[in-house]
Amino acid sequence: GEDVEQSLFLSVREGDSSVINCTYTDSSSTYLYWYKQEPGAGLQLLTYIFSNMDMKQDQRLTVLLNKKDKHLSLRIADTQTGDSAIYFCAESINNQGGKLIFGQGTELSVKP
Amino acid sequence: DVKVTQSSRYLVKRTGEKVFLECVQDMDHENMFWYRQDPGLGLRLIYFSYDVKMKEKGDIPEGYSVSREKKERFSLILESASTNQTSMYLCASSFGTSGTDTQYFGPGTRLTVL
Repeated sequence: GEDVEQSLFLSVREGDSSVINCTYTDSSSTYLYWYKQEPGAGLQLLTYIFSNMDMKQDQRLTVLLNKKDKHLSLRIADTQTGDSAIYFCAESINNQGGKLIFGQGTELSVKP
Repeated sequence: DVKVTQSSRYLVKRTGEKVFLECVQDMDHENMFWYRQDPGLGLRLIYFSYDVKMKEKGDIPEGYSVSREKKERFSLILESASTNQTSMYLCASSFGTSGTDTQYFGPGTRLTVL
């Protein structure tokens, strides 16, 4: 079945780049998403990438997709303390109309 | 501005009680979803609905039921709460069923069952 895997924790220093990785198993994924959850809040969509793209850039965020290896990454440039949160990777599966499969979430800790 | 609201941020109930979690969206979205979030497990889909009075089981429906009598409201029901249902519950809604239709999330309800 479908499965999405992430490492649980990442710690970086303020000003460094953060790279959060995700692997998925279903090759029929159509879109892949990154959501951010700040403490005590719901999930907020950060960005998404269509499965026929390799890269998408949006200000400090860069998403890389390696479809052959089923590997997705989110790079945050110049990481700030306000970026501390849990980041979820998710995939939507073709013909399962709107359902998302989420990873476990990576807790990013940014140290000053 | 997109808004998904959930009836309570924190809830404490006793084992065996019937529990209602309410979710309301003001965006005229067709689809609504209930997830539970547990540390190390991410979000797991409990139930979802594509239309009024329509419901589909997600990955972990056991012990839960849902109700969607009006388009804007989707309720999650725990018929007889148990301690293993202590969790964070997140509601979401989306306009359509295309992969580009973003799911918008409510702030969550942290339920503790004693």
